[in-house]
Amino acid sequence: KAGVTQTPRYLIKTRGQQVTLSCSPISGHRSVSWYQQTPGQGLQFLFEYFSETQRNKGNFPGRFSGRQFSNSRSEMNVSTLELGDSALYLCASSPRGQGGNTIYFGEGSWLTVV
Amino acid sequence: DQQVKQNSPSLSVQEGRISILNCDYTNSMFDYFLWYKKYPAEGPTFLISISSIKDKNEDGRFTVFLNKSAKHLSLHIVPSQPGDSAVYFCAASPSLTQGGSEKLVFGKGTKLTVNP
Repeated sequence: KAGVTQTPRYLIKTRGQQVTLSCSPISGHRSVSWYQQTPGQGLQFLFEYFSETQRNKGNFPGRFSGRQFSNSRSEMNVSTLELGDSALYLCASSPRGQGGNTIYFGEGSWLTVV
Repeated sequence: DQQVKQNSPSLSVQEGRISILNCDYTNSMFDYFLWYKKYPAEGPTFLISISSIKDKNEDGRFTVFLNKSAKHLSLHIVPSQPGDSAVYFCAASPSLTQGGSEKLVFGKGTKLTVNP
C-alpha cells in the first residue's frame, strides 16, 4: 500500500512568488492535514480537510490556503512568498477523520524562498 | 504558549539499555497521544499511540505510559539500538472531544543518540 505522496520534494522560489504543493493521501484515507516545520517553531498545524471541507485551521496568515478534491488529494498554496516561509511542508492523512486515528505523514516538500 | 513540552532536547543512551523520552502537556482537552520518529529531511514516522482511556500501550520494543493526573506521558524503548537514533516527537490531539478533528499539537522533539 503506497504511503502519503508529496510533490515536489524540493523547490526554490523567489520572494513575492506563489507556490502550490500537492499531496496524495494513502488510498482510502479521507482526512488530509498540512504542517509546517521550521527550526525555530517546530512542527505547526496549518489546516485539515475532510470530504473537501476545511475543518480546522492553524494560526497562519491568509496567504496560506489549501483545498481537497473529491478523490481526497489535496493541494496547499502559499502566495506572496516571504523568506520566513522557507520550511519543510508536511502532508498527513488518516482513515476516517473521526479522531483517535493514526496519522501518517509524507516525506515532505522542502521549500526555499530566496 | 507551548501546550506540549519535551523538556529534554537530547538524550544519549548505550546500546541495549532503556531509553526514556518524556512529554508533558497542559491542555486537558487532549485525549489522544502519538509518538513519531523523524530523520532529517524526512517525514515523521508513526511509532505508537495511546488514548486517554488507557495508561499503557505496548508495541514490541516500544511502550508508552500515560499519567493523566500529571498530564505526562513517556516513551520507553527497550532495548535501545543504534538504529533508534533520531529525533522523537510527542504529539497530542483533542480529537475525540472536538468532533473528529485530526489536528496534532507537537512538542519540540528530543534527539536520541544510541551509542554502540
